[in-house]
Amino acid sequence: GAGVSQSPRYKVAKRGQDVALRCDPISGHVSLFWYQQALGQGPEFLTYFQNEAQLDKSGLPSDRFFAERPEGSVSTLKIQRTQQEDSAVYLCASSPVRLPGETQYFGPGTRLLVL
Amino acid sequence: AQKVTQAQTEISVVEKEDVTLDCVYETRDTTYYLFWYKQPPSGELVFLIRRNSFDEQNEISGRYSWNFQKSTSSFNFTITASQVVDSAVYFCALIMNRDDKIFFGKGTRLHILP
Repeated sequence: GAGVSQSPRYKVAKRGQDVALRCDPISGHVSLFWYQQALGQGPEFLTYFQNEAQLDKSGLPSDRFFAERPEGSVSTLKIQRTQQEDSAVYLCASSPVRLPGETQYFGPGTRLLVL
Repeated sequence: AQKVTQAQTEISVVEKEDVTLDCVYETRDTTYYLFWYKQPPSGELVFLIRRNSFDEQNEISGRYSWNFQKSTSSFNFTITASQVVDSAVYFCALIMNRDDKIFFGKGTRLHILP
């Protein structure tokens, strides 16, 4: 596809359940980012990959959050033992090169609701 | 400290009116990048514009225009002759030179009334 895609678009999880969110970046894009957007707020940074290397995970809120990009393309954000405060939209973005201030192109997001 | 401030939480205007969305940013870097994104009800963030700190020239793209003023650390966005399809949440955002992550403001929800 032409843009960033994410799946599933919606996920309902029971508290304590593990979830996995997938991101397919734009083909050939080197950099991949995950953001969390709470209701009524702006997105907040979670983690960043350059190819398969995770260069920054300073935004991950706890050790229950884990992200990977093993082959430098598709990325998965995993949340273990979900809590109600994890309910948010999770946005993935990619950019073509690793240059300062490069534009990031966003996917439609996965809306996670933890009951 | 909040790096990007969008003081207008919500704005409503009647179609065909002009509207300006304010953005004030904070950084000590001399090199940085500013962005505006649009988030329609579908939820996807749509890129509108990117500006680096060395380019203070104002930009116009159709009905959209941007006013970048380093002296006041502002990067305001104006929609001329607004249309209902402009209804969305608009985010101003900042990337500092030493960083790759985007710092977003809290967004301004814009309602264009028919």
